[in-house]
Order: sequence, then structure tokens, then C-alpha cells
Amino acid sequence: AQSVTQPDIHITVSEGASLELRCNYSYGATPYLFWYVQSPGQGLQLLLKYFSGDTLVQGIKGFEAEFKRSQSSFNLRKPSVHWSDAAEYFCAVGAHGDYKLSFGAGTTVTVRA
Amino acid sequence: NAGVTQTPKFRVLKTGQSMTLLCAQDMNHEYMYWYRQDPGMGLRLIHYSVGEGTTAKGEVPDGYNVSRLKKQNFLLGLESAAPSQTSVYFCASRTGGEQFFGPGTRLTVL
Repeated sequence: AQSVTQPDIHITVSEGASLELRCNYSYGATPYLFWYVQSPGQGLQLLLKYFSGDTLVQGIKGFEAEFKRSQSSFNLRKPSVHWSDAAEYFCAVGAHGDYKLSFGAGTTVTVRA
Repeated sequence: NAGVTQTPKFRVLKTGQSMTLLCAQDMNHEYMYWYRQDPGMGLRLIHYSVGEGTTAKGEVPDGYNVSRLKKQNFLLGLESAAPSQTSVYFCASRTGGEQFFGPGTRLTVL
């Protein structure tokens, strides 16, 4: 069975500083990997996705993620955070032919001025 | 193009009452999903559908029923609500591996 671990429950970062959110997955086949963002009281918005090919993926809002098969990781990064990046971030894993996604528990990001 | 919409946005029920949550999508997607979101647990799949007239159980199906009579609609029912079903419920539809989410329904069961 597939599973996703987000080791950090809460991260606080200063505005303008870099951000890295960790995601580790367990899956037997080649995974499809996703990062979603959820602002307070809102639904989930897709930031980026990895299906195959280049392991460095660019997303919206200046985010990127790198797939590292050897480490079973798909970490999300942003070079310089903005106050509007304060939200909860979810990593998810799925696969071709599998109808379902498995989500991590989420990481809450707080941005301080 | 409204995407995925959910009705209602908020609801308060008493224990034992029933209700139906409606999800609608206008993207002609075959796959639809119902999740619940609880603090510290991420999203957990309740039920899903791979096409009109089909439904299947997810990770936490107990206490819920679903129906997919029309391709664009996916209904989630609670026959006898319990306080443990207090949660935020999200509907999603899928194309090409990517899921698109609705804005959520916040349900409180007293």
C-alpha cells in the first residue's frame, strides 16, 4: 500500500527567506507525485505534479519540487517566501492505473514579517 | 466553467439526523471522490466513483453512502450522523491523474 510522510507538522519562516517542505513516500511502482496548497477555509489547489521525465518540476507561485527516487522523496522548495504563502501544504502520491491518491498529514507554514 | 462545486458550505446536525452532500462538476470527468479532512490526518478517502452508476469504498467508508446517478454529480449521504463525523468534506474529480477539488463542506454533528 502506498503511504506519504510529511515529517514537519509546522514550519515558521521569515518573509523573504527560503522554504523547503519534506515529503517521503512509500510505493512499489513508479509514483505520480503531487503538492497541493490549502489556504485557510479554502479547498486544495495544485502547486505542481510529477509523472515522469525531468526530476525537477516547476509549479505555480514560484514553487519547485525535486523527485529523488533513491531517497523516495519529493521535497517542495521556494527561494523567497511571501506572506501570502502562509497555508497548509499537502504531498500526495498515486500511480498510473490506480484511481486513488494517498495524502500526507500536511505541513502548516507560518510566515513572519 | 465552475469546476467542482459543493452544496452546502456549512451544516450543523444533531446526532442521528441524516443529510446529503452534493458535489457537481462541469468538466466531464469520469472519476469523482469524497474525502474527509481532520486535523493532523490529511485527507482520507471515503468513497469514490470511476464512472456513472459505479461506486467503491475508500479508506474510511463506514457510516457513509454514495450515489453517482449522473456523471456530473456525486452524492454523499449520512444516514444517522454521529459526532465522529464532524469534519470538513471535500469532493474532487479527476482527469489524467490530477484531481481537482471543491471548496469543501464544514459539517458539525452535535
